[in-house]
Amino acid sequence: GEDVEQSLFLSVREGDSSVINCTYTDSSSTYLYWYKQEPGAGLQLLTYIFSNMDMKQDQRLTVLLNKKDKHLSLRIADTQTGDSAIYFCAETPGGYNKLIFGAGTRLAVHP
Amino acid sequence: EPEVTQTPSHQVTQMGQEVILRCVPISNHLYFYWYRQILGQKVEFLVSFYNNEISEKSEIFDDQFSVERPDGSNFTLKIRSTKLEDSAMYFCASSPPSGTPDTQYFGPGTRLTVL
Repeated sequence: GEDVEQSLFLSVREGDSSVINCTYTDSSSTYLYWYKQEPGAGLQLLTYIFSNMDMKQDQRLTVLLNKKDKHLSLRIADTQTGDSAIYFCAETPGGYNKLIFGAGTRLAVHP
Repeated sequence: EPEVTQTPSHQVTQMGQEVILRCVPISNHLYFYWYRQILGQKVEFLVSFYNNEISEKSEIFDDQFSVERPDGSNFTLKIRSTKLEDSAMYFCASSPPSGTPDTQYFGPGTRLTVL
């Protein structure tokens, strides 16, 4: 079935790197996504990776994809307090348009 | 930068009443979606809409739900007879016509509270 799993909580010190992990089940997903949700706000698309890539870098964000293990990670370099939010991993199973989300990882950044 | 907008930001209704949640997708987008997030739970897909018809819907999207694009700019979600368990944040999303059709841009959400 379609399922996306994430750890629920991550706490890091300001300036350190954060790594948020995700596993998914559907190997036919064309794209995999990371969304950010700040308190009381909607879902902001952070980045996505095409399934035939294994890495994508976008400024402080690095996405790693291990398609064999169906494992996706998001690394945030030099984490800032403004990065505190919930981060959702998502896939599009079967290549169709619906997004299947994980439960979200709450990132807490402390001084 | 263009964005998806939703109104109202918060809707309170009595059980059994009809509600209409409104969305204005990004203007050149052709794919439209509704998702919901019950407090503390995952964001769940409800329905996708393309070319004036539903392209996919989830099990949640039963006969109580309907979607419509009444004009060239609005996209609405109607719940005919609300239940307590419909209380959730409802997100509208849209995606562009080409390139990465799966790349969905979300609105800020409408919080629906059913009493």
